[in-house]
Amino acid sequence: GQQVMQIPQYQHVQEGEDFTTYCNSSTTLSNIQWYKQRPGGHPVFLIQLVKSGEVKKQKRLTFQFGEAKKNSSLHITATQTTDVGTYFCAVHYNFNKFYFGSGTKLNVKP
Amino acid sequence: GAVVSQHPSWVICKSGTSVKIECRSLDFQATTMFWYRQFPKQSLMLMATSNEGSKATYEQGVEKDKFLINHASLTLSTLTVTSAHPEDSSFYICSARIDRQNGYTFGSGTRLTVV
Repeated sequence: GQQVMQIPQYQHVQEGEDFTTYCNSSTTLSNIQWYKQRPGGHPVFLIQLVKSGEVKKQKRLTFQFGEAKKNSSLHITATQTTDVGTYFCAVHYNFNKFYFGSGTKLNVKP
Repeated sequence: GAVVSQHPSWVICKSGTSVKIECRSLDFQATTMFWYRQFPKQSLMLMATSNEGSKATYEQGVEKDKFLINHASLTLSTLTVTSAHPEDSSFYICSARIDRQNGYTFGSGTRLTVV
């Protein structure tokens, strides 16, 4: 079935280093959303990207939607320990179904 | 902001019993709710889409007779795990769409342990 692939699965960084996670779809997406899930918590909505080539920033987080609307990335500049968690992309497919990528678990060493 | 209240947050039950999980949308109406299951260190897997006033649509491989979904009102959807077995132990979480700009909001999740 239709899936969105997310890499890497894990990322361990030293505090202050940058971090990037990528999502790729085999089909063109109408939009893509990003969520953060802290350990033991539930996903929290971060942002939605809709337009081809769109770039949005939230403080140290930069979100990008590919020109072909098939891929997206989340980049964190100068990570902090508060950035620890799993980052998921999520997409809509037919019949209003809402699927999550496999997630990237970020660990930040102080 | 829009909130989905999910209860219980955790439950331990014996094999063979049934467990009901409730999700209520507060301050907004949710015509559609999504139910997910998340195993440790894995992503959220969509189980079913709950539609107010009609039957839920289930993902391939999800047994609809085992995971009963009811969405009788615009603010309440329930998932009942029937005849639970240890392999049903997981984190179950519901979600509803707020609007086009603000994505989806999630319940706090229910950690089910079947012993």
